[in-house]
Amino acid sequence: NAGVTQTPKFQVLKTGQSMTLQCAQDMNHNSMYWYRQDPGMGLRLIYYSASEGTTDKGEVPNGYNVSRLNKREFSLRLESAAPSQTSVYFCASRPGPTYEQYFGPGTRLTVT
Amino acid sequence: GQQLNQSPQSMFIQEGEDVSMNCTSSSIFNTWLWYKQEPGEGPVLLIALYKAGELTSNGRLTAQFGITRKDSFLNISASIPSDVGIYFCAGQDYGGSQGNLIFGKGTKLSVKP
Repeated sequence: NAGVTQTPKFQVLKTGQSMTLQCAQDMNHNSMYWYRQDPGMGLRLIYYSASEGTTDKGEVPNGYNVSRLNKREFSLRLESAAPSQTSVYFCASRPGPTYEQYFGPGTRLTVT
Repeated sequence: GQQLNQSPQSMFIQEGEDVSMNCTSSSIFNTWLWYKQEPGEGPVLLIALYKAGELTSNGRLTAQFGITRKDSFLNISASIPSDVGIYFCAGQDYGGSQGNLIFGKGTKLSVKP
């Protein structure tokens, strides 16, 4: 099992450009999450999907959209990137009955 | 929103020393998790705790779910250089969205050989 995979690993965007961060899990988990990690801020929840077909806003959803494409895949889209979105983005998944979340390796995004 | 107070923020220790860190919350939690993150990697789950008073070990790591349900502790015994990283606590509170975790800001551990 690969666990949680994320692509790309690194990305540089110019202000105003758009891009989609991809996440996939092969553990048959029901719930999936997108976080951003900034120095001194810890992990902050952007969006989550409790199950296939549902998505909900987290703590910092502004400027982002998500798609739960199927049970395996959960993508995060930046429609018009801003320098404030420079961060490391992590995807995570969770099996149904427990609260343990399993993280991917991250995407390091720089917006200039 | 709800935040966890994790301390200390950083630690510089000698190889072989024991390490202690903790997290506290203003509300009652029903789950405590401890993660380790190494540079350039995602957080990796170390220990999960589900019952007040529970004490769980994973090799040289031991974590406890506080009796008050508002705190948790992580101890590392006989530290080694590969223990270097950032340790995060995370919890699920009774009033929060089902399954959504709240994260501490991390304890950065440095080990001098």
